[in-house]
Amino acid sequence: EDKVVQSPLSLVVHEGDTVTLNCSYEVTNFRSLLWYKQEKKAPTFLFMLTSSGIEKKSGRLSSILDKKELFSILNITATQTGDSAVYLCAVSNNNAGNMLTFGGGTRLMVKP
Amino acid sequence: KAGVTQTPRYLIKTRGQQVTLSCSPISGHRSVSWYQQTPGQGLQFLFEYFSETQRNKGNFPGRFSGRQFSNSRSEMNVSTLELGDSALYLCASRYLSTSNEQFFGPGTRLTVL
Repeated sequence: EDKVVQSPLSLVVHEGDTVTLNCSYEVTNFRSLLWYKQEKKAPTFLFMLTSSGIEKKSGRLSSILDKKELFSILNITATQTGDSAVYLCAVSNNNAGNMLTFGGGTRLMVKP
Repeated sequence: KAGVTQTPRYLIKTRGQQVTLSCSPISGHRSVSWYQQTPGQGLQFLFEYFSETQRNKGNFPGRFSGRQFSNSRSEMNVSTLELGDSALYLCASRYLSTSNEQFFGPGTRLTVL
């Protein structure tokens, strides 16, 4: 059974801080790893990673995947209050079609 | 381009009743997946439909079922509701069945009393 573990469970920082969120996984036949941001309702897509060592970047957010050590990190630099959300990591495997297995999420609170 | 839409947004039912939730994917997207989100279990995969066929099913009882229509709209049905079915039900669509980039709808908040 595929498994995704995210850490920390929650995090409180101040505006301007840099944060690193962690995601480790166990997947039988890895296909991809995805990061989502969930504020009130719908998770919004951030990144999809399939190859090790290639950083994906979008503004202040970046993510990288290590397929050897089976983890990914999501970095947020110069955090803003609008970054407050739950960040979800999910993996898919080639044996299970398009099913995503999600981690429990990291709840980030950015204080002014 | 309109996003994924789900109706209704909120629903209150009592135990034993049944419920039908609807999801309209992004225009052109043919794959629709359903997820249940609860505080205790997080986001869990229910099933996926592509071209009106169920492609994959999660570990949920047979009370949970779904279908997809020729216009890619999907419905999920939960029969004989239990208190534990109270959750946020999220629908996600993707362009191709081989693409993992899923886009989520706002969800339907189901409360079972």
